[in-house]
Amino acid sequence: AQRVTQPEKLLSVFKGAPVELKCNYSYSGSPELFWYVQYSRQRLQLLLRHISRESIKGFTADLNKGETSFHLKKPFAQEEDSAMYYCALSYYGNNRLAFGKGNQVVVIP
Amino acid sequence: KAGVTQTPRYLIKTRGQQVTLSCSPISGHRSVSWYQQTPGQGLQFLFEYFSETQRNKGNFPGRFSGRQFSNSRSEMNVSTLELGDSALYLCASNGGDTGELFFGEGSRLTVL
Repeated sequence: AQRVTQPEKLLSVFKGAPVELKCNYSYSGSPELFWYVQYSRQRLQLLLRHISRESIKGFTADLNKGETSFHLKKPFAQEEDSAMYYCALSYYGNNRLAFGKGNQVVVIP
Repeated sequence: KAGVTQTPRYLIKTRGQQVTLSCSPISGHRSVSWYQQTPGQGLQFLFEYFSETQRNKGNFPGRFSGRQFSNSRSEMNVSTLELGDSALYLCASNGGDTGELFFGEGSRLTVL
């Protein structure tokens, strides 16, 4: 079965410190992976997708098929990065997404 | 462009009742997906509609159903409500890029 695992529910980091959110997936096909973010009192929104291979708001994520991981990283956390982050996997290249349980990130000033 | 709009935002029902939730996608988006979000199970896919046809379906009982109209607006219905159906129901529309979903604010259903 397709599954997305985000092992840490809550991550507290100091401003300026690096942030890494872990995401592992199990999927027999060719995966398409995404990170979604939900800021306080805002809607869930797409942060980045692996096929874009771009940096958004300083965040990057690399798909490692050998380790079946798609970890999200940012070298220097900012207070505005405090949010809920969800890793998601597309089933068979369509819009049916399997989401992880999410990571609550708190950036301490 | 206006974002995805869901109505109602909050509702309270009792067990055994049924509920209909509505979703208006972003103009021009033909795909509408529904997700259930609960503290225990997280975000779970319910179904996706595209051009009035159900394109994908998640692992939910038949009490959960949906439809899409010619203007791409979508409704989902839950019949014979159970306490466990209490959740935030999120609608998302997609404009063509796979996996890029634009979410609404959700409809929070409480079943008493």
